[in-house]
Amino acid sequence: DAGVIQSPRHEVTEMGQEVTLRCKPISGHDYLFWYRQTMMRGLELLIYFNNNVPIDDSGMPEDRFSAKMPNASFSTLKIQPSEPRDSAVYFCASSLQRSGEQFFGPGTRLTVL
Amino acid sequence: QQQVKQSPQSLIVQKGGISIINCAYENTAFDYFPWYQQFPGKGPALLIAIRPDVSEKKEGRFTISFNKSAKQFSLHIMDSQPGDSATYFCAASRGDKIIFGKGTRLHILP
Repeated sequence: DAGVIQSPRHEVTEMGQEVTLRCKPISGHDYLFWYRQTMMRGLELLIYFNNNVPIDDSGMPEDRFSAKMPNASFSTLKIQPSEPRDSAVYFCASSLQRSGEQFFGPGTRLTVL
Repeated sequence: QQQVKQSPQSLIVQKGGISIINCAYENTAFDYFPWYQQFPGKGPALLIAIRPDVSEKKEGRFTISFNKSAKQFSLHIMDSQPGDSATYFCAASRGDKIIFGKGTRLHILP
């Protein structure tokens, strides 16, 4: 298995632009998680899905952030409009079961100028 | 009550020494305590995990010590090697909810 795949690996954009991050989980994993990592706040859970359904989005910082999972093999995290404080590394992770090992993708480094 | 406090923020250890990272949690409902290891430019990867029904778990040079009454757990890396230099995250979870500590940047001197 190729593991969790994320794209793009790096994204540089200007303030106000729309940003879309993509994730392909490991096949057969029922849970998908989106995290944001910064030096100040560490690793923060933004939202997670179970069987393509959003279960908990309490970590999504603002309405500018939205996430979808249209099918079991694809998810997106969208920021519109983007702001410089959104600059961070965004990780997608998937897992086979509740409270089990999470497999992280390589992350997307987002820079908003 | 959802916090996981991790210390120290950074740690420098001589090669061959013991690295110790500590975490404390507040919510007694947590029932799974994993440690993740992250190398620069990579995503975190599960290193070792423990459930609260045991006080210690060892895998090779890595040991988790768990103190349920104190609501604390720690990672010990024996015979630390330069290849262990990474950021380590503790976490606590119950069901779908997982909370990560802020991470410890470990550097092993050659």
